[in-house]
Amino acid sequence: KQEVTQIPAALSVPEGENLVLNCSFTDSAIYNLQWFRQDPGKGLTSLLLIQSSQREQTSGRLNASLDKSSGRSTLYIAASQPGDSATYLCAVSGGSNYKLTFGKGTLLTVNP
Amino acid sequence: DAGVIQSPRHEVTEMGQEVTLRCKPISGHNSLFWYRQTMMRGLELLIYFNNNVPIDDSGMPEDRFSAKMPNASFSTLKIQPSEPRDSAVYFCASSTRQGEGSPLHFGNGTRLTVT
Repeated sequence: KQEVTQIPAALSVPEGENLVLNCSFTDSAIYNLQWFRQDPGKGLTSLLLIQSSQREQTSGRLNASLDKSSGRSTLYIAASQPGDSATYLCAVSGGSNYKLTFGKGTLLTVNP
Repeated sequence: DAGVIQSPRHEVTEMGQEVTLRCKPISGHNSLFWYRQTMMRGLELLIYFNNNVPIDDSGMPEDRFSAKMPNASFSTLKIQPSEPRDSAVYFCASSTRQGEGSPLHFGNGTRLTVT
């Protein structure tokens, strides 16, 4: 059974700092990995999707990497802003590629 | 594009009552998912539809839970009878051609409280 772990559970940084969020998964036979953002009282917003054949994806200040063999992904946020404050979740899809297994998320607070 | 639309946003009901949650997926999306989110268990997939057909309902916790998708633009999740342990946020999500790893689009959820 796939398990997804995100460390740390919470992170507080000053504005402008570069930061890395970590995600690990136990079964490397994944189809893709997605990073989501969740604001309080809202649904999840897809940030980046990495196919299993890819190593990384970039969108603006965000860069996500994937190392299938070690079961790890990182989300790098450059020059953090208070508006980046949210919970960030990673999710992996397995052999039946529709079924996403989610981590419990990292609560990020960027202080002005 | 209005995104995935869920109603109601909040539902408070008494134990034993029937609860119906509603979802309108993004037009053109042929995959629809119902998830439940709690602090203890995080996000859990309840059921997945493809082209209006239930493909996997193994996540539905009990027979008290049922889901339907009568057409491509509407789905319901029903709990009958409801219990306090059903209290959670229920999300609907949709995507296109999930087999190609399309990103998932979530609604804002329905916060259910069963007293």
